[in-house]
Amino acid sequence: ETGVTQTPRHLVMGMTNKKSLKCEQHLGHNAMYWYKQSAKKPLELMFVYSLEERVENNSVPSRFSPECPNSSHLFLHLHTLQPEDSALYLCASSDGQGRSRQYFGPGTRLTVT
Amino acid sequence: GQQVMQIPQYQHVQEGEDFTTYCNSSTTLSNIQWYKQRPGGHPVFLIQLVKSGEVKKQKRLTFQFGEAKKNSSLHITATQTTDVGTYFCAGGYQKVTFGIGTKLQVIP
Repeated sequence: ETGVTQTPRHLVMGMTNKKSLKCEQHLGHNAMYWYKQSAKKPLELMFVYSLEERVENNSVPSRFSPECPNSSHLFLHLHTLQPEDSALYLCASSDGQGRSRQYFGPGTRLTVT
Repeated sequence: GQQVMQIPQYQHVQEGEDFTTYCNSSTTLSNIQWYKQRPGGHPVFLIQLVKSGEVKKQKRLTFQFGEAKKNSSLHITATQTTDVGTYFCAGGYQKVTFGIGTKLQVIP
């Protein structure tokens, strides 16, 4: 599936760096999501955007800052991260928020050193 | 808050054996979705169940939604090495919550 793309696929950053993750969906969906996937933990929903408005923020630390400039693009800006933030960050989109099936991107494997 | 429990977390089976993973919710679900994530990959949607007591089949995979719409199961008949991966259920009412997943290993 190439409907949802994510860049970069791998990222290594120091705790003082600032970087951004990018997600793009080519499916005409109006809802986009950021998830964090760590070993031995459930998929953690971080943010939900519906029609470019943030509708959910699940108590995510402020060092993660999302941005949704239009319905096709979603960014996750990172700054002063901690080693425990190392994980796979997955972007997903759906046609309608809530109960619709989600299409996931390949993810960005983030390592914080 | 809404919780979706999934068991077992890990399962090793001999190729050809059957496999089942179970999903339970503390609240009534409007629907249940199942996803598969291959090693090194990302979750891919398999199916969605909506009706109470619904049963759907995809080749060797059988999906069930409980009568009370609080539990679901995925059963694989005669596993193959291509079935390796982590199977997630995801359910909710207003929004979707993912279970922790069941990691399936198939021994050839």
